Amino acid sequence: NAGVTQTPKFQVLKTGQSMTLQCAQDMNHNSMYWYRQDPGMGLRLIYYSASEGTTDKGEVPNGYNVSRLNKREFSLRLESAAPSQTSVYFCASSESSNNEQFFGPGTRLTVL
Amino acid sequence: EDKVVQSPLSLVVHEGDTVTLNCSYEVTNFRSLLWYKQEKKAPTFLFMLTSSGIEKKSGRLSSILDKKELFSILNITATQTGDSAIYLCAVRPNFNKFYFGSGTKLNVKP
Repeated sequence: NAGVTQTPKFQVLKTGQSMTLQCAQDMNHNSMYWYRQDPGMGLRLIYYSASEGTTDKGEVPNGYNVSRLNKREFSLRLESAAPSQTSVYFCASSESSNNEQFFGPGTRLTVL
Repeated sequence: EDKVVQSPLSLVVHEGDTVTLNCSYEVTNFRSLLWYKQEKKAPTFLFMLTSSGIEKKSGRLSSILDKKELFSILNITATQTGDSAIYLCAVRPNFNKFYFGSGTKLNVKP
């Protein structure tokens, strides 16, 4: 039971490049989330998916797109990376009712 | 605007001390408040609080919520070096949103 997994662990991009961060969970959770964590700012929600086939914007969605490929997988895409997107990205999942979130190990992204 | 504020931002104590971390919030709706511990990598869940005045306890950690005054505290007694981490508070206003505070960085010295 791996929980929430993310790939890659580290990535360096040049401004304007695109990439997709992958996330998968094996807990049969309905809801999945993407956060970014910047120093001194806590975790900020980028997008979430309440259930398979649905996605919604969080606090900071600009510059990102997401895909809920199936119940297990939720990917985050940067179409044209900018230095302001340098951050640590966490994926999380939870049951659809009032339950806690489980986090993946994070992806450290640097945009030069 | 929904917000979660944690204090202090950082704290240095010695092993054996007791610490109290604070989390205050302003949200348009409230379902639950959660505490997480973050060491090197991913946050790990500690407590979820939904009702005022009911203490949640796990070993040396405990937490309580006051929905009237809109805050929660996390207490750690007899601190150990392994308690050194960032402690995050999050408020869930509805099923699918969580607002996190910026965290309290705790450093426990031997």
